[in-house]
Amino acid sequence: DTEVTQTPKHLVMGMTNKKSLKCEQHMGHRAMYWYKQKAKKPPELMFVYSYEKLSINESVPSRFSPECPNSSLLNLHLHALQPEDSALYLCASSQGFKGRSNNGYTFGSGTRLTVV
Amino acid sequence: AQKITQTQPGMFVQEKEAVTLDCTYDTSDPSYGLFWYKQPSSGEMIFLIYQGSYDQQNATEGRYSLNFQKARKSANLVISASQLGDSAMYFCAMREGSSGTYKYIFGTGTRLKVLA
Repeated sequence: DTEVTQTPKHLVMGMTNKKSLKCEQHMGHRAMYWYKQKAKKPPELMFVYSYEKLSINESVPSRFSPECPNSSLLNLHLHALQPEDSALYLCASSQGFKGRSNNGYTFGSGTRLTVV
Repeated sequence: AQKITQTQPGMFVQEKEAVTLDCTYDTSDPSYGLFWYKQPSSGEMIFLIYQGSYDQQNATEGRYSLNFQKARKSANLVISASQLGDSAMYFCAMREGSSGTYKYIFGTGTRLKVLA
């Protein structure tokens, strides 16, 4: 299995809703990432988990709450979002955290989030 | 300061022709990796090719090759024999390695359109 699976593919939520995005990989990768991508812009890093511990938080507002229950699963909990949070949310994983190897990301296909 | 620069917002190429997408980078870290990703309209980020800072030879992957000029800090992507399916957004990214941190920095992207 060489995929990163993200669910749901599309999500519409109101500003008072609570929802979660899910990301799963079974490649044995020990680093997992959340990126946010606005239209016609590059992905922006939100969070990095390494060995199931939060390693990097790029000053993301607290209405976004990541969770890594195990080495294969990464969630992003959403609460009280704003319309400007509408974007493509990409999950990625990679083999490890350091080293000079080809440590390329494997990305999921993303969740297109619309906040109304 | 911009760490990854892609100066071509959009490019056109005739089917079966070769095309070069430009990428320059800036880092003081001697250990880094350079990546190219393709993003079709569906949203998924597809890994294309990797070049490590210590690699002596230019990377190649099928129709993709990376023209790595370390002294000029450039890592241009060359696509040979373009196909209609190559029409997509292309992102150059750099991984900087330092103790305890590991993240990618993306360029602003180049939108490639292959003409029949």
